[in-house]
Amino acid sequence: DTAVSQTPKYLVTQMGNDKSIKCEQNLGHDTMYWYKQDSKKFLKIMFSYNNKELIINETVPNRFSPKSPDKAHLNLHINSLELGDSAVYFCASSQTQGAYTFGSGTRLTVV
Amino acid sequence: AQSVTQLDSQVPVFEEAPVELRCNYSSSVSVYLFWYVQYPNQGLQLLLKYLSGSTLVKGINGFEAEFNKSQTSFHLRKPSVHISDTAEYFCAVIPKAGGQNFVFGPGTRLSVLP
Repeated sequence: DTAVSQTPKYLVTQMGNDKSIKCEQNLGHDTMYWYKQDSKKFLKIMFSYNNKELIINETVPNRFSPKSPDKAHLNLHINSLELGDSAVYFCASSQTQGAYTFGSGTRLTVV
Repeated sequence: AQSVTQLDSQVPVFEEAPVELRCNYSSSVSVYLFWYVQYPNQGLQLLLKYLSGSTLVKGINGFEAEFNKSQTSFHLRKPSVHISDTAEYFCAVIPKAGGQNFVFGPGTRLSVLP
């Protein structure tokens, strides 16, 4: 069983579209995250969320919004996609202050 | 705030040779330290972690790392690398006290040559 699963694995879309990436974890972790990995492999935190608190990296445009229907899911919605949004997006989960378990990533290409 | 430096962006090494990937961090508070590996087109996988105790920690695939508090370093080593070790390696820290997320270094690309 995959511990942290993301769908889709690849996403190609046009500028201006709205898209979502889904993430689910079956580890019983209390915190989930979204990271963006750019073309130079640099990892940047976008959001962290547990059932009490959403922490948003202030540099993330408000076109990006996380939505958590329950403790095991943290989906990423992106409105009005731009070319610069092209990247690999990773979902992760952890127990508080524990090691992260990452999903396999979603490669988003905006054309 | 914390920061992580990985001075070597790329490290080429021949198969069966030893390798060391360097990681230095800056933090005003105590931190936990981690190394992650990312194989091509895959997610990040935990290699090893230092939480407390012995400063030499062993991880998967024959890797080990040593925490040096005075030098604020957590270098990753392997005595003999394989072609399959070719990947991107990320060092990361998180404050022990909590309240913040992982901070990752920029990564080191290890290329093992035949």
